[in-house]
Parts: sequence; structure tokens; C-alpha cells
Amino acid sequence: DAKTTQPPSMDCAEGRAANLPCNHSTISGNEYVYWYRQIHSQGPQYIIHGLKNNETNEMASLIITEDRKSSTLILPHATLRDTAVYYCIVRRKGAGSYQLTFGKGTKLSVIP
Amino acid sequence: EPEVTQTPSHQVTQMGQEVILRCVPISNHLYFYWYRQILGQKVEFLVSFYNNEISEKSEIFDDQFSVERPDGSNFTLKIRSTKLEDSAMYFCASTRDSAGTDTQYFGPGTRLTVL
Repeated sequence: DAKTTQPPSMDCAEGRAANLPCNHSTISGNEYVYWYRQIHSQGPQYIIHGLKNNETNEMASLIITEDRKSSTLILPHATLRDTAVYYCIVRRKGAGSYQLTFGKGTKLSVIP
Repeated sequence: EPEVTQTPSHQVTQMGQEVILRCVPISNHLYFYWYRQILGQKVEFLVSFYNNEISEKSEIFDDQFSVERPDGSNFTLKIRSTKLEDSAMYFCASTRDSAGTDTQYFGPGTRLTVL
């Protein structure tokens, strides 16, 4: 699976949009971009995923560049409860490996 | 909304003892996983399980570890003879099918402390 690069930490003011970047320059055509977050030592929580089109759900939006080499997770109105480590993960679809390979992620701190 | 559940939330054991960590995956899910996270480190894949067989396992998942689906609802991870370095959070996850695009949903974890 392709490797991802994320900044180690970011701050965001409460109520503002949090934009979390991820580089995945070696991504291949059959790989999806997944975002999870982990609050303290809780289980990773699924946020969103996409292949090449932008995606939006009730939690966040995912913007994937046209060349698919990078993406941005957007939390439109960050709250204190969004303080967490955010993981960008690239994973193959189809038969074969289904495991998720977690990196160190981005520690997002939402500040009052 | 259906959730993955895990018991116990915290397990304390003596080195050399056997432990069994339990998970109830989401009911219509077919693929099951165990991951672990040592304090301050990354979440690491241990094993995946499908159709009553191990699909994949990592180097961490050695002969001391085993998994089982003893009935239609539970999925267990057994560590035969615990070591100090097995102390970690253990997370169970499940996926609806094997299409590869389906999302893994994680349980809240079991904190294992080996003394």
C-alpha cells in the first residue's frame, strides 16, 4: 500500500474549519484514501473515504487532487470534541490485503 | 447504529498467564480483525479472519497468539503465555464483506496490562 505523509500536529480555533492535509504521491489507481481519527486511546473511528471524486458526509469533506497525489480532510466547524489524532490511510481495493496500515497521523488540537 | 463491542475493557494479568480478549463484531459483517497499540505507538495490524480461517497475519502474530470464532457472534484473541511486551490496547474491527472497499469499524478496545 502507498505511504502517506501528514504533518505531526495542527491547531484550529473552535468553530473554524480544520483542513488536514495528506500526501500520498505513490498512490496507484486501485487504492482508496481513508481517514480515521482516534480520540485518546479509544478505537479508531472511521470518518470518510474516497477514490478520486470529492466526498462529503455528516462528519467531514474529503478533497482529492486531480492527480490523486494528495488530499485534504475538512472538518467544517471544528469543536473541542474533534481534538484527536487523524490518520490518512491508503488501502488497496479488491482481493488481497485488507489490513489498514496506520502512520503517526496528525494531532489536531481544537482551541477554545 | 450497530457497533463493535469488546470485553473486558481492562484486563490485568501476570506474565506467563493466558488471556482471552473478546469481541462481538457487527452482526452482518464477515471479515474480522485484531490490531494492537502499545502506549504512545502506532496502531499495528495483527490478524484478519474470514470464513473461519486466518486470511493474513503480521509478524507480531506468532505462535503465542490465536484467534477463534467460537459461535455466531463472538470473535476472540487468545494469548497463550503473556509477556510484559504484550501490554497494549487491543482493538477488534469488522468489515461487511470482502470487496476491499468496505469500511473497517473498530471497537473501543481492551487495555491489557501484563505484570
